[in-house]
Amino acid sequence: GESVGLHLPTLSVQEGDNSIINCAYSNSASDYFIWYKQESGKGPQFIIDIRSNMDKRQGQRVTVLLNKTVKHLSLQIAATQPGDSAVYFCAEKRSRGKLIFGQGTELSVKP
Amino acid sequence: GAVVSQHPSWVICKSGTSVKIECRSLDFQATTMFWYRQFPKQSLMLMATSNEGSKATYEQGVEKDKFLINHASLTLSTLTVTSAHPEDSSFYICSVDHGTGEGEQFFGPGTRLTVL
Repeated sequence: GESVGLHLPTLSVQEGDNSIINCAYSNSASDYFIWYKQESGKGPQFIIDIRSNMDKRQGQRVTVLLNKTVKHLSLQIAATQPGDSAVYFCAEKRSRGKLIFGQGTELSVKP
Repeated sequence: GAVVSQHPSWVICKSGTSVKIECRSLDFQATTMFWYRQFPKQSLMLMATSNEGSKATYEQGVEKDKFLINHASLTLSTLTVTSAHPEDSSFYICSVDHGTGEGEQFFGPGTRLTVL
């Protein structure tokens, strides 16, 4: 497999603050990216996606930014809530539908 | 989106035994499903692509004789961990792809395998 097997970095934020989670991807030919949220003991849940012909996409309380020049994605969560505490993964879609996941970041929201 | 289930949600087995994990697409006919493995505090690692009616495609480093995949219908893929050992203990997750070339994959809830 290609996903990185390192231990998760953590981000701790205060409830109500904005969170920014970063991700680097490896394949400059990838043209579709997804952010997933994974709660403990559960499968990943879709948050937001972006195609490579865009550099920004907004959802409800979330924004994804794509910088193709440096192969970097970020996920911004506005007004972070305790329910946002989870592990967040970016994923790039490769040929034949394969998803390659990034390292992941554990978000901890302090009340 | 597609609704995906897995069974069992957790399983404990003795070393040397085989374990079968089912992945079902409940509301979508999936020609392609994917199997991932996730160790604690790590990312998801793609193991194989399950293709309905044909052989699975395994990622580099994944032993196809150890992780048997069968995708006999458009709603069911199974992963059998043969002769399981403690190092196979992990969280196994399947996903369904709509196959349109875009759009997110939909993930099952995962199966926690513990090999004693």
